[in-house]
Amino acid sequence: SYALTQPLSVSVALGQTATITCAGYNIGGKNVHWYQQKPGQAPVLVIYRDTNRPSGIPERFSASNSGNTATLTISRAQGGDEADYYCQVWDGSTGWVVFGGGTNLTVL
Amino acid sequence: EVQLVESGGGLVQPGGSLRLSCAASGFSFSTYALHWVRQAPGKGLQWVSSISSGSSSIYYADSVKGRFTVSRDDAKNSLFLQMNSLRDDDTAVYYCARVDVWVQLDCWGQGTLVTVSS
Repeated sequence: SYALTQPLSVSVALGQTATITCAGYNIGGKNVHWYQQKPGQAPVLVIYRDTNRPSGIPERFSASNSGNTATLTISRAQGGDEADYYCQVWDGSTGWVVFGGGTNLTVL
Repeated sequence: EVQLVESGGGLVQPGGSLRLSCAASGFSFSTYALHWVRQAPGKGLQWVSSISSGSSSIYYADSVKGRFTVSRDDAKNSLFLQMNSLRDDDTAVYYCARVDVWVQLDCWGQGTLVTVSS
């Protein structure tokens, strides 16, 4: 079955740029979505279809997808960005939704 | 306002059953696919099941196939998950989520906790 791999944790200095990767076989050929989850809360969609931000998501959140890696970039990181981030794709061969293992972002 | 509210969680013994509900409001419920996603304590998100609009396509993760059944009642704007033969490793917060055109989960409920323990 299709698998997505994310780093367990990423740290970024306040005001700097954080990069979170999501690796999967030929992930560039799939639509990748990203979610932010803060402790005790439900996930929130922050990027859909590789590069698109839902309304209400700051422009500081951007993403790309090519080859075997999708990337979420958070510019000018703030303390409020501390959260777990998950990538997600749909595996059309099985009909399953697949999540990456999640990355915990710490803002120092 | 788009809203999803889960209910039905609780403590159940191994081998027992539970039925989760998800009440939707603020959107045209019948036209959307819906999913169940769970999260074990301290763990990541795990997809559980999906049901298309019109219930024509239903999928399950291997870990719940044959034990869980997803259904929907469009007249009542409600989604259900019947969980049978529950195991310890089914313990998790269960979320229902609405799915948009690119299979992104664009709206989530607050979750309901299911604890399987003797």
